[in-house]
Amino acid sequence: EVQLLESGGGLVQPGGSLRLSCTASGFTFSKYAVSWVRQTPGQGLEWVSAISGSDDGTYHADSVKGRFTISRDNSKNTLYLQMNSLRAEDTAVYFCAKAPLGSCTNTRCYNFDYWGQGTRVTVSS
Amino acid sequence: EIVLTQSPGTLSLSPGERATLSCRASQSVSNYLAWYQQKPGQAPRLLISGASNRATGIPDRFSGSGSGTDFTLTISRLEPEDSAVYYCQQYDTLITFGQGTRLEIK
Repeated sequence: EVQLLESGGGLVQPGGSLRLSCTASGFTFSKYAVSWVRQTPGQGLEWVSAISGSDDGTYHADSVKGRFTISRDNSKNTLYLQMNSLRAEDTAVYFCAKAPLGSCTNTRCYNFDYWGQGTRVTVSS
Repeated sequence: EIVLTQSPGTLSLSPGERATLSCRASQSVSNYLAWYQQKPGQAPRLLISGASNRATGIPDRFSGSGSGTDFTLTISRLEPEDSAVYYCQQYDTLITFGQGTRLEIK
């Protein structure tokens, strides 16, 4: 059974940093691309960042470019999101999501066949 | 960035009726479009990929159609458990989501 378990969320002050983790099981982690998708309170979904299975390609939404970094450790079946210079508008539930493919091709990416349950990040003073 | 616009914002229907949800893209996404269902407190669940391919375990009451810029998710014979928010997502150029359609079952 595919499982994705996020952790690392919490309360952080504006300008602060936080690192999210997502531990995967039930599939060969290194073969599949994964992403972070966030959902602001009462609002819709926003794709944040993506990384290929082999860790040779990353993409970030313009709203987080230069502040967030996605990475993975395939030996630990774990996905990360390093979030720096956090803003109030980054407050959201952050989901990790698995793609059915290994990577984007140029900028053509993928849908998500499995999702974690999310971890909440609150940016507030 | 490709913008996806979903309509209507909210849909209220009775059990047994048919629901038609629309998703329009600001430019062509070919058939690189997916649909998700999200219930309160839960993660999204993949319903449709490639505009019309049902995901594993999804009942055949759910069907997707369209290509280019105009897409439709149809739910025939609505059941109470279909009450949820439905999102479309394009993956032709990076990834973007629509703002969602809330489906209420009376």
